[in-house]
Amino acid sequence: EPEVTQTPSHQVTQMGQEVILRCVPISNHLYFYWYRQILGQKVEFLVSFYNNEISEKSEIFDDQFSVERPDGSNFTLKIRSTKLEDSAMYFCAAFGQLNTEAFFGQGTRLTVV
Amino acid sequence: AQKVTQAQTEISVVEKEDVTLDCVYETRDTTYYLFWYKQPPSGELVFLIRRNSFDEQNEISGRYSWNFQKSTSSFNFTITASQVVDSAVYFCALSEETTSGTYKYIFGTGTRLKVLA
Repeated sequence: EPEVTQTPSHQVTQMGQEVILRCVPISNHLYFYWYRQILGQKVEFLVSFYNNEISEKSEIFDDQFSVERPDGSNFTLKIRSTKLEDSAMYFCAAFGQLNTEAFFGQGTRLTVV
Repeated sequence: AQKVTQAQTEISVVEKEDVTLDCVYETRDTTYYLFWYKQPPSGELVFLIRRNSFDEQNEISGRYSWNFQKSTSSFNFTITASQVVDSAVYFCALSEETTSGTYKYIFGTGTRLKVLA
């Protein structure tokens, strides 16, 4: 069973629409992250989340983005009004103890048209 | 600033050749962790290894080996007797302590390895 599961695997959306990307880590994970990889480029940090609040965010993570863990299990990334340049692979990552290896989900490929 | 450099953008080898992927890092932290991840064509990130800054022993796992040299800030990855299934993008990453006391990964730009039959 994978440590981190992401849904959907692929989402196509129209520019301006809201999208929600979902991540389900296993129950003993404490630290959660979203990363983004624009096609063919490096994996970039977006945001980290611990103890039900954002602990760090990058300059990419502007007001269009938000994260939450509403029910103690799912960890979501919402993009309020998608832009073409939001097209990328989005990875959720989680780990239980600080500085152990992060378990990455299989990614959600977001295509904004 | 923390930084990870993978100078090799793409490497092509013939099956059974050995190949080394280079990773050079910069950090101000005295305690840090280094990682290698594999990204096959299917897109997921597969964890390969974690190494802490106090452990400079080289590690071997099957056909994979890692050479950590603190003196040159390098953490190189060698695949022995490469196979077509090794074709992927390989990322080196460095953990960085954040202002909130948690950690985040800084990734290199990746090296695309093509193993030809």
